[in-house]
Amino acid sequence: GNSVTQMEGPVTLSEEAFLTINCTYTATGYPSLFWYVQYPGEGLQLLLKATKADDKGSNKGFEATYRKETTSFHLEKGSVQVSDSAVYFCALITLFQKLVFGTGTRLLVSP
Amino acid sequence: KAGVTQTPRYLIKTRGQQVTLSCSPISGHRSVSWYQQTPGQGLQFLFEYFSETQRNKGNFPGRFSGRQFSNSRSEMNVSTLELGDSALYLCASSLYMGQGALVNYGYTFGSGTRLTVV
Repeated sequence: GNSVTQMEGPVTLSEEAFLTINCTYTATGYPSLFWYVQYPGEGLQLLLKATKADDKGSNKGFEATYRKETTSFHLEKGSVQVSDSAVYFCALITLFQKLVFGTGTRLLVSP
Repeated sequence: KAGVTQTPRYLIKTRGQQVTLSCSPISGHRSVSWYQQTPGQGLQFLFEYFSETQRNKGNFPGRFSGRQFSNSRSEMNVSTLELGDSALYLCASSLYMGQGALVNYGYTFGSGTRLTVV
């Protein structure tokens, strides 16, 4: 079946540090890939997406590239801010129209 | 434009009771999905509706049910509540343009309904 594996958290960084959150997937067919972010007490917000191999999704300084050969979609940001502290979820969707999420990675950024 | 609206935001119920949660999707969105989020199980898919028809269902017992109305608003119902049903229930809507097109849009989530069963 389809699945998403994310690195365990929490990831603790100082402000302006470089961020990488690893995400790999297993899927039949050709999934679209997403990163969602969840701030405390809120629902999920779509951060970025990529729909085919080699696509790069980007938003608010975050980037992720759809790598079919390594089945990966790692999230990166060059310089994190305290306001980026949240839980990040990698997810995929196939033609069966069901989002499959990873377990989430908590990011803590200190000043 | 308004986002996905879920009501109520918080709910406390007693074991054995039933509960109904409501979700109003973004205007024009015809696909609505429901997810359960718990610390132990993470985000799990409950079901998805499109044009009042359930298209997909997750691996949950029959106590969990849902429906979608002609205006795309959706409700989910949980009967005979158990302590383990305590969770954040998230609704998501998406624009559907035909087979395969949905995968390009992603879903917009509401803020969720936090259900506590005591």
